Amino acid sequence: KNQVEQSPQSLIILEGKNCTLQCNYTVSPFSNLRWYKQDTGRGPVSLTIMTFSENTKSNGRYTATLDADTKQSSLHITASQLSDSASYICVVSPSGYALNFGKGTSLLVTP
Amino acid sequence: NAGVMQNPRHLVRRRGQEARLRCSPMKGHSHVYWYRQLPEEGLKFMVYLQKENIIDESGMPKERFSAEFPKEGPSILRIQQVVRGDSAAYFCASHGGAASSYNEQFFGPGTRLTVL
Repeated sequence: KNQVEQSPQSLIILEGKNCTLQCNYTVSPFSNLRWYKQDTGRGPVSLTIMTFSENTKSNGRYTATLDADTKQSSLHITASQLSDSASYICVVSPSGYALNFGKGTSLLVTP
Repeated sequence: NAGVMQNPRHLVRRRGQEARLRCSPMKGHSHVYWYRQLPEEGLKFMVYLQKENIIDESGMPKERFSAEFPKEGPSILRIQQVVRGDSAAYFCASHGGAASSYNEQFFGPGTRLTVL
């Protein structure tokens, strides 16, 4: 069964600190892995997308890593800001348009 | 260029009523996807449509649910005889071009359906 597991479920950090979110998946075959940010009451917005051959990709203060051998990915947020408070969703695509969503990590950045 | 639009944003229905959710994809996009997000769960695929065609409805319940994307107008997700278990956030996403795993799907803000 294709599954995407994320940890931690929730996280609270102080503004300015860094954090790392984890994603493990069992989706097979594998085409690409995406990280989305979902603000409360909004739809998900894409942060990064990585294919099998890519092991790191950055988007501003967000850096995603991928280890396709161990089927693990991480999202590192540097110098967090209050606006980073959101749910971060790991999404794995086996092929075509199919997307398998994790439940997300809820991040709260406090002053 | 407006993003994906969904309406209504919030919808309250009593058990047994019908719910109609609308999605207008981004301009120029001809591929529409519907997803459902139950409380504390990840988004789950429901249906994939192109103009006037249902491509894949494998994620949609066999009964009471239907979807369409007519030649003109928005895509509609219709839920007949709603039950409390239908309470969820329903998201629409769209992309242009041929369907491939590299096409970024742009999501709408969602419709939050509450069944009383």
